Amino acid sequence: AQSVAQPEDQVNVAEGNPLTVKCTYSVSGNPYLFWYVQYPNRGLQFLLKYITGDNLVKGSYGFEAEFNKSQTSFHLKKPSALVSDSALYFCVVWDGGFKTIFGAGTRLFVKA
Amino acid sequence: DVKVTQSSRYLVKRTGEKVFLECVQDMDHENMFWYRQDPGLGLRLIYFSYDVKMKEKGDIPEGYSVSREKKERFSLILESASTNQTSMYLCASRFPAGAYSNQPQHFGDGTRLSIL
Repeated sequence: AQSVAQPEDQVNVAEGNPLTVKCTYSVSGNPYLFWYVQYPNRGLQFLLKYITGDNLVKGSYGFEAEFNKSQTSFHLKKPSALVSDSALYFCVVWDGGFKTIFGAGTRLFVKA
Repeated sequence: DVKVTQSSRYLVKRTGEKVFLECVQDMDHENMFWYRQDPGLGLRLIYFSYDVKMKEKGDIPEGYSVSREKKERFSLILESASTNQTSMYLCASRFPAGAYSNQPQHFGDGTRLSIL
């Protein structure tokens, strides 16, 4: 069965430290990969995407993601976390057709 | 910039009422989606529409219907609201697979619906 796993319900980091939010997937073919962020009582906001090309993708607000085909992973990273980065993050995989799979979400908490 | 607008941010209705949630997008997207988001369950697809007057059931269509009479508007209908339909409802739109297949879904800000 096709799936997206975000193994951590919550990630805690100190402001200024690097952060990683993990995502692995099991989807056939060459899917499109996305990260979204959700702030309280808001919709999902697009951060970045991987289609083809460089394995390191840069997105909004200083976020980047590393694609690893052999490990079927797409981890979200940021070199220096901000308190304002505290939010819910979703890894999303689209098969390019009719199926979009959302991860369960990881809550990021950045402490000042 | 893409804008997906949901008509209400917060809505309170009573059980048994017929409830309409409206969504409008301004990017001429063919595909539109309705999701509900519940704690611990993530996002679940209710219905989606490939194009005007076309609709497909998602993972949890029971108790819901949809309407897509115009390309920019996608309505979600709760035929007879029940308390278990209290949730956050999110609308999204996207170009279809093909020429624009690398484009993400764009989401509205959501409607937090309470059924009393």
